[in-house]
Amino acid sequence: NAGVTQTPKFRILKIGQSMTLQCAQDMNHNYMYWYRQDPGMGLKLIYYSVGAGITDKGEVPNGYNVSRSTTEDFPLRLELAAPSQTSVYFCASTPGQGLNEKLFFGSGTQLSVL
Amino acid sequence: GESVGLHLPTLSVQEGDNSIINCAYSNSASDYFIWYKQESGKGPQFIIDIRSNMDKRQGQRVTVLLNKTVKHLSLQIAATQPGDSAVYFCAENLGDAGGTSYGKLTFGQGTILTVHP
Repeated sequence: NAGVTQTPKFRILKIGQSMTLQCAQDMNHNYMYWYRQDPGMGLKLIYYSVGAGITDKGEVPNGYNVSRSTTEDFPLRLELAAPSQTSVYFCASTPGQGLNEKLFFGSGTQLSVL
Repeated sequence: GESVGLHLPTLSVQEGDNSIINCAYSNSASDYFIWYKQESGKGPQFIIDIRSNMDKRQGQRVTVLLNKTVKHLSLQIAATQPGDSAVYFCAENLGDAGGTSYGKLTFGQGTILTVHP
């Protein structure tokens, strides 16, 4: 199994551009998450999903959108990129069969907005 | 909101020594804690977890201790190796109003562990 796969690994955007960060998992996990990690900081939750068709905001959702049309995929959309969105983005998943399960993370997407 | 934090941002040890990484949390209602290891350029990797009804849990070369009285969590790494050099994060389970966590985690700032040969 590949686990959690994120693409692209690196991207540079100009202010105002848009892009979609892709995330796919092949573990049949119900729950998926998007976190961002700023330099020297811990991860902050952007959005999460507990199943196909269900999404909800996390701690820092402004400037982002998500969708969950399938169990496998959970793309993150930036509509109008801003310098404050320069960060490393991590997608994660967990089975969602009970409380308190460990998260499996992808390798991240490093995004710079200039 | 409440958060998880770390006492020390950096820790340097000699190969073979034991390492102790500390974490303080402020939400007394948190019921699940996890330690993650993050190597440069990679995503966080699960190390060990502990539920609030436990004081100690051991894994391979790692032990997590939970002191609910002072809201303190620690990760002990035995016989530290150069491959253990990484950033270590503690995280706590975020509950919502209904008491269902949905796996949401609050992460601390992280501790940089450097192991010298």
